[in-house]
Amino acid sequence: DAGVIQSPRHEVTEMGQEVTLRCKPISGHNSLFWYRQTMMRGLELLIYFNNNVPIDDSGMPEDRFSAKMPNASFSTLKIQPSEPRDSAVYFCASSLVSWLDTQYFGPGTRLTVL
Amino acid sequence: KQEVTQIPAALSVPEGENLVLNCSFTDSAIYNLQWFRQDPGKGLTSLLLIQSSQREQTSGRLNASLDKSSGRSTLYIAASQPGDSATYLCAVPNSGYSTLTFGKGTMLLVSP
Repeated sequence: DAGVIQSPRHEVTEMGQEVTLRCKPISGHNSLFWYRQTMMRGLELLIYFNNNVPIDDSGMPEDRFSAKMPNASFSTLKIQPSEPRDSAVYFCASSLVSWLDTQYFGPGTRLTVL
Repeated sequence: KQEVTQIPAALSVPEGENLVLNCSFTDSAIYNLQWFRQDPGKGLTSLLLIQSSQREQTSGRLNASLDKSSGRSTLYIAASQPGDSATYLCAVPNSGYSTLTFGKGTMLLVSP
């Protein structure tokens, strides 16, 4: 299995631009998670999908962030408009059944907003 | 809300030493606890998951223990190797929420 796939691996953009991060979970996994990691705040959950339905989006910082999961094999995290404080590493993870199971992480997308 | 603390924040040891990483959490009503490894510039890799009914979990040279009543877990690494150099994070579920709270991690350096 290829594991969780994320693209792009690196993204550099200017403030105000739209950024779209992509994730392909492990085939057969029913849960998908988006996390953000910074030095200051560590690893934080942004949103959790189960069977393509958002279950917990309490970690989404504000309306500039949105996430979709149109099918079981694809999810996007969009930031519009982006701001310098959004600079971080964004991870996608998936698990077989639910948030209580072992989570498998992708390699992350390093986002820099200038 | 659950708070997770990992001590020490960084640890440097010579190859071959046995070592212990510590994780403490404030809310003992947890379903399980997970230990992850993160290599520089990479995602997290799950090492061990201990269910709340278990006290220990072992995988190779790694042994994780869980004491719910005291809100503590330890990760024991036997005969450390330079390849063990990474950041180790523990994570516990938040009671009533479908989220994990992660510690800030312990950065381990094993020198040859």
